[in-house]
Amino acid sequence: DTGVSQDPRHKITKRGQNVTFRCDPISEHNRLYWYRQTLGQGPEFLTYFQNEAQLEKSRLLSDRFSAERPKGSFSTLEIQRTEQGDSAMYLCASSSLRDREGNEQFFGPGTRLTVL
Amino acid sequence: KQEVTQIPAALSVPEGENLVLNCSFTDSAIYNLQWFRQDPGKGLTSLLLIQSSQREQTSGRLNASLDKSSGRSTLYIAASQPGDSATYLCAVSGTYKYIFGTGTRLKVLA
Repeated sequence: DTGVSQDPRHKITKRGQNVTFRCDPISEHNRLYWYRQTLGQGPEFLTYFQNEAQLEKSRLLSDRFSAERPKGSFSTLEIQRTEQGDSAMYLCASSSLRDREGNEQFFGPGTRLTVL
Repeated sequence: KQEVTQIPAALSVPEGENLVLNCSFTDSAIYNLQWFRQDPGKGLTSLLLIQSSQREQTSGRLNASLDKSSGRSTLYIAASQPGDSATYLCAVSGTYKYIFGTGTRLKVLA
């Protein structure tokens, strides 16, 4: 499978717990993005990596959120002390820097988080 | 700040109708515009990508157009089918991140 994969697909947790999500981009894609989508809304940008460098973080990404991309391959998104407002679909996408004109992003299936 | 608006928010049509979904954006300095389909509780399925230098793209019964100067794109669906029922999202990109609209929820009645 050469697409973007995300794990887990679903996560149910209690308020106050920490959760971590993983994204594996398309191999050789050097750009990786995280988005969050709440019910009835379009996805909103959270953060972006070029190789292992995190180049932008949205104001949506509070101090409880941290993302990493060690070695420029897979990425993890951790949410500490989860709140009910964190319940959403977390989407990961990747693209190739070589695709300068298009910057087409390929999306994974998402991780649906429910905070009770 | 780029803003993306999709009209209508919801649409219900009988099977077989041709239909048009609209997307407008406030900043014409975009790299590309992409249309996606999203089924309930699922991820995004890419439908069509229009690069900034292009005017339209076609795939099967779908045709998407782009007018950067007026900040508009349309997605035309020919001969709609019940299987087309989903939410359709448009997204525009600058140098990297996508800005999405809130989508059009389409229901095609058999």
